[in-house]
Amino acid sequence: GESVGLHLPTLSVQEGDNSIINCAYSNSASDYFIWYKQESGKGPQFIIDIRSNMDKRQGQRVTVLLNKTVKHLSLQIAATQPGDSAVYFCAEKGPGSARQLTFGSGTQLTVLP
Amino acid sequence: GAVVSQHPSRVICKSGTSVKIECRSLDFQATTMFWYRQFPKQSLMLMATSNEGSKATYEQGVEKDKFLINHASLTLSTLTVTSAHPEDSSFYICSAKDSSNYGYTFGSGTRLTVV
Repeated sequence: GESVGLHLPTLSVQEGDNSIINCAYSNSASDYFIWYKQESGKGPQFIIDIRSNMDKRQGQRVTVLLNKTVKHLSLQIAATQPGDSAVYFCAEKGPGSARQLTFGSGTQLTVLP
Repeated sequence: GAVVSQHPSRVICKSGTSVKIECRSLDFQATTMFWYRQFPKQSLMLMATSNEGSKATYEQGVEKDKFLINHASLTLSTLTVTSAHPEDSSFYICSAKDSSNYGYTFGSGTRLTVV
């Protein structure tokens, strides 16, 4: 569901460390999940996606883990860089012919020098 | 990759006037377009879904007469905020989906300020 009125959770990490951002999704029947990065004043930028028939997918410096048992999604960023500072959202797509994405509440990632 | 162009990036208008925001898919045909609104430090909230050539489907609580959506072609959708008020000030973002099950591309957003 939407997170109206809530403040964004925050995560601060040292440059070079790994970051883990978590997301609890709402629909156990969702079949597709996406992580987006949003910088201030910009639209969401695709990072990585995963379909429900997988539990792990790796990209360049990023890994997404999907645990359908507990409806949990995580994004791991290796060797976090200052340019990774942004708000990160997970999004889920409902099953079958459902088309719209439902966004999680987001996490503000701050990379410390 | 797929690109969605959204204009204007920011607009200031007076209360009571109308503002039109355009969303174009530049290198693919968008069978479905979505419009979102985002308030500061909050998530994206879906306002409406539109398919080319048909009426938009609005989410609960979104006034269809206030937020007019037109999706006349496979590459263009517009959102018109009519009779804007200060509470309509927000960040509006469009998203275009191609014919596959998994292709979503977002525009860069429009910052609307109503004074």
